[in-house]
Amino acid sequence: GDSVTQMEGPVTLSEEAFLTINCTYTATGYPSLFWYVQYPGEGLQLLLKATKADDKGSNKGFEATYRKETTSFHLEKGSVQVSDSAVYFCAPGGSQGNLIFGKGTKLSVKP
Amino acid sequence: EAQVTQNPRYLITVTGKKLTVTCSQNMNHEYMSWYRQDPGLGLRQIYYSMNVEVTDKGDVPEGYKVSRKEKRNFPLILESPSPNQTSLYFCASRNTLGRRSEAFFGQGTRLTVV
Repeated sequence: GDSVTQMEGPVTLSEEAFLTINCTYTATGYPSLFWYVQYPGEGLQLLLKATKADDKGSNKGFEATYRKETTSFHLEKGSVQVSDSAVYFCAPGGSQGNLIFGKGTKLSVKP
Repeated sequence: EAQVTQNPRYLITVTGKKLTVTCSQNMNHEYMSWYRQDPGLGLRQIYYSMNVEVTDKGDVPEGYKVSRKEKRNFPLILESPSPNQTSLYFCASRNTLGRRSEAFFGQGTRLTVV
């Protein structure tokens, strides 16, 4: 069945450090791929998405590229800020219409 | 403004007392679903609905009921809550069954069952 494996956290970085959160998935066909972010005390909101192979999604300085050959969608940011502290979820679109969520990666950015 | 609205945001109840968490979306989405979020377990789907009067079980449906009488509403019902249902609950909606569309989430309902 459809599944996703996401880098376990928590991840603690200093401000302006480089961030990578790994995500690989197993899915039938060619799903769209999503990254969601959950700030403390809030619901999930879409961070970025990619709908086909080699697409790059980007938003707020975050990027992720749809790698069909490696079934991966790693999240990157060149210089993190304290305000990026949150939980990040990788989520491919499942074959049943749902989104398959990873367990989430908690990021803490220290000043 | 496009949104998914859940109520209540916080709820403390006692074991066995029936409760309903409401969810409403204003985007005319066909697909709606409920998730629970627990530490170390991520988001797990409880129930989903592909359209009015069409519902199906997700990964963890035991102890929950849902209904979809109108397109915009998808309430979650706990007939006899137990402490292991203490969790953070999210409602979500999507435009179509298609795998390209993003999901929109409510703000969450933090439920404590004592």
